[in-house]
Amino acid sequence: GAVVSQHPSWVICKSGTSVKIECRSLDFQATTMFWYRQFPKQSLMLMATSNEGSKATYEQGVEKDKFLINHASLTLSTLTVTSAHPEDSSFYICSTGPPNQPQHFGDGTRLSIL
Amino acid sequence: GQNIDQPTEMTATEGAIVQINCTYQTSGFNGLFWYQQHAGEAPTFLSYNVLDGLEEKGRFSSFLSRSKGYSYLLLKELQMKDSASYLCAVETGNMLTFGGGTRLMVKP
Repeated sequence: GAVVSQHPSWVICKSGTSVKIECRSLDFQATTMFWYRQFPKQSLMLMATSNEGSKATYEQGVEKDKFLINHASLTLSTLTVTSAHPEDSSFYICSTGPPNQPQHFGDGTRLSIL
Repeated sequence: GQNIDQPTEMTATEGAIVQINCTYQTSGFNGLFWYQQHAGEAPTFLSYNVLDGLEEKGRFSSFLSRSKGYSYLLLKELQMKDSASYLCAVETGNMLTFGGGTRLMVKP
C-alpha cells in the first residue's frame, strides 16, 4: 500500500515564524493529498485538499493566506503555516491514497508556537 | 452538510467485548472507514465497509447498514493496548469526513 512520509515530526518556534511541513508519497503518485489538523482530544478536521498542479481547495473557516499549500509534484505536498501564533499550535497530519481505498497517513507534525 | 456521530468516551474491561457505534448523514456515500489512533500518533486503518453487512478481521469486526446510516466497530477479547481513540470516517468522492472519535479506555 501507499506509504506516506511527513516531516518534521515536531516543531517548536517563536510566534511570528513561518513553518513548512512536507508530505511525501513514497510509492504512489498522489494527485490529491489531504491536510488535517487535530487539537487535543478532538478528531481530525480536514483543512484543505491539495491538488497536484492546481490550487488547493480549502475548507470553510480555513484561511488560505495563512495556510499555504503547494503540490508541485505527484510525490510532494507542502503546508506552510505563515506567521504562526500560539493558537496555531496543533497536530497536523497529511494523508493520501487511491480512491475507494484506505487513506495512508503521515506520522503527523506536532507544532508548538511559543 | 456532513454529520457523523460517535460516543465521546467508552470504558470496558480487559477480555470483554465492546461495540462502538457510528451514525452518519452525508451527501453521498462511497464507503465507511474505521481507524485506530493512539495518543500523539497518526491514525491506522482498521476496516472499510462498502456494502451492508459484517466484515470480520481477527478480533475486530465492522458492520454497516447504509439504509440506516449506521455502522459499528466490534472489538473482542479486549487487550490493554486497545486503549485508543477510534475514528469513524465516511468517504464521499475522494474525501474523508471524520466523526469526533471515541476514546476507549480498557481497564484490567
